[in-house]
Amino acid sequence: AQSVTQLDSHVSVSEGTPVLLRCNYSSSYSPSLFWYVQHPNKGLQLLLKYTSAATLVKGINGFEAEFKKSETSFHLTKPSAHMSDAAEYFCVVSDTNFGNEKLTFGTGTRLTIIP
Amino acid sequence: SQTIHQWPATLVQPVGSPLSLECTVEGTSNPNLYWYRQAAGRGLQLLFYSVGIGQISSEVPQNLSASRPQDRQFILSSKKLLLSDSGFYLCAWSVLGGPLETQYFGPGTRLLVL
Repeated sequence: AQSVTQLDSHVSVSEGTPVLLRCNYSSSYSPSLFWYVQHPNKGLQLLLKYTSAATLVKGINGFEAEFKKSETSFHLTKPSAHMSDAAEYFCVVSDTNFGNEKLTFGTGTRLTIIP
Repeated sequence: SQTIHQWPATLVQPVGSPLSLECTVEGTSNPNLYWYRQAAGRGLQLLFYSVGIGQISSEVPQNLSASRPQDRQFILSSKKLLLSDSGFYLCAWSVLGGPLETQYFGPGTRLLVL
């Protein structure tokens, strides 16, 4: 069984300051991990994914995440927040069931950017 | 390039009425297709997935059903909506190419049952 825990339901940062969204996972196998972003009233967009290659993964819009197996974490970071980063962020772990990848989503972290 | 469409974008329906949400994918063949629901304040819940025409797997018991009449068409239905069916419904697709596939999501349908 696999699970994902997003440690903060809501994070607020000032524009231009760093962003840290925390995610811990559990998985019986070597996981694939993802971060998705959802802007208000829109569908999900893939930010980045970890698939057992480099542990530091760079995504779109300046985001990156580091896979730390010893800590079972996959935290999302950005050096400098922009107003357009305000959205809901989901950490996701994958599972393969009968050749069909099934994703388990965290409950989401709402990121607010303070002008 | 591949695109995924969902309609309608928003829908308000009375309790007990039927439901039909449609999802279509362009630019790919034999995709895996998924229906998710996002309830207020909660993460996404996988409702159905399909690996081919007429092949539907249900993840959670409910009054919803899904059908895949064509390779790139996935329909979510209900005969009688409940208040608890309100939420944001997302369709997604992926291509089976190993254990590391990624899912791509549509724009979603916001359903409000009154």
